[in-house]
Amino acid sequence: GAVVSQHPSWVICKSGTSVKIECRSLDFQATTMFWYRQFPKQSLMLMATSNEGSKATYEQGVEKDKFLINHASLTLSTLTVTSAHPEDSSFYICSGGGASDTQYFGPGTRLTVL
Amino acid sequence: KQEVTQIPAALSVPEGENLVLNCSFTDSAIYNLQWFRQDPGKGLTSLLLIQSSQREQTSGRLNASLDKSSGRSTLYIAASQPGDSATYLCAVRKLTGGGNKLTFGTGTQLKVEL
Repeated sequence: GAVVSQHPSWVICKSGTSVKIECRSLDFQATTMFWYRQFPKQSLMLMATSNEGSKATYEQGVEKDKFLINHASLTLSTLTVTSAHPEDSSFYICSGGGASDTQYFGPGTRLTVL
Repeated sequence: KQEVTQIPAALSVPEGENLVLNCSFTDSAIYNLQWFRQDPGKGLTSLLLIQSSQREQTSGRLNASLDKSSGRSTLYIAASQPGDSATYLCAVRKLTGGGNKLTFGTGTQLKVEL
């Protein structure tokens, strides 16, 4: 099956710094990538949808200036959490869309903001 | 707005039991429904995908059913094993206008004990 990788798998940063998370589709071209956030013992909440070469579409309540998404190629999307605060600590998961009804999920990135 | 609920939130069973996980959704205009497994601190593994025109899908010891008109799906796990311990998530795709977006359920945390 198709593989999606994320880097880093975990990161700890100080409050006020910015953190970049990479999402790569290794063996397929992802025209669409999705970014999710998952708080402990909760389900996945979609943050934004990005299409290669265009601006991301953010879900209601997600600050686009805080969570910067770039989808510069068909195999790479990045999520940058700007000026991170402890409340941004969460598990971030990306997925790449192949066919119209398929998403392949990455292993997730655990962000801890001190 | 689509809401997806899973019952029970947590379940503990002895090894060998057959069990049923429930998923309900409020908007029956779905394209398909998908069941995932998530191990602690990990990404998602797709288990079964049921198209809106289908009633059920089977894979090994897993059987998923879909009753679109009543907004319900069940995941049946036969002869449960300790390795089945994980969180199970259902997710639905919107029929129109949603692209490839998934709305996830609240999850069922399963523990299969020896």
